[in-house]
Amino acid sequence: AQKITQTQPGMFVQEKEAVTLDCTYDTSDPSYGLFWYKQPSSGEMIFLIYQGSYDQQNATEGRYSLNFQKARKSANLVISASQLGDSAMYFCAMREGSQGGSEKLVFGKGTKLTVNP
Amino acid sequence: EPEVTQTPSHQVTQMGQEVILRCVPISNHLYFYWYRQILGQKVEFLVSFYNNEISEKSEIFDDQFSVERPDGSNFTLKIRSTKLEDSAMYFCASSGTGVYNEQFFGPGTRLTVL
Repeated sequence: AQKITQTQPGMFVQEKEAVTLDCTYDTSDPSYGLFWYKQPSSGEMIFLIYQGSYDQQNATEGRYSLNFQKARKSANLVISASQLGDSAMYFCAMREGSQGGSEKLVFGKGTKLTVNP
Repeated sequence: EPEVTQTPSHQVTQMGQEVILRCVPISNHLYFYWYRQILGQKVEFLVSFYNNEISEKSEIFDDQFSVERPDGSNFTLKIRSTKLEDSAMYFCASSGTGVYNEQFFGPGTRLTVL
């Protein structure tokens, strides 16, 4: 069964506007972590933001925020005030189990975001 | 800021040849990983490594693959007899000091098997 689902293969947004990238997940482990990574055309994977399953508040990191709806098993990434440099692939990933070990990341298929001037 | 490095950035090899992909994780990190990404597809876990032994490996990580930490800094992935379908971007990652124990990825090695 697919554990991470990103249903938007591609998204377009105008510069300076906000955009939401969807991510739903599936796990039976009560302890898990959700990550978003950015992959520019150069290929590297850049960590953006993290949400733990027990976190009471939605995570925020600068222009990035995570809309975490635990009951719906969704962890959508919101990028505010989009910039041209935000154009990239965005991957949602999940780590099952409590943090501190060598648990693997399971990735979704990604969403390609294009920011238009 | 410390970073994960990988060499080479691009490797071209003939089918059946052995390749070694090299990684230098962030110092003080304890956990090491290899992932691969076939062009246009999602990132897939290959193997995790801790305390000088494999912690977990995926179905992809068959007998053709091996990992090694030969010294205190390098972490290598060896593919003994490459196949066409091994062509992919291979990412090394390490974790252990991040606030969320997040994994820090290297820039990747693009492997092309002809």
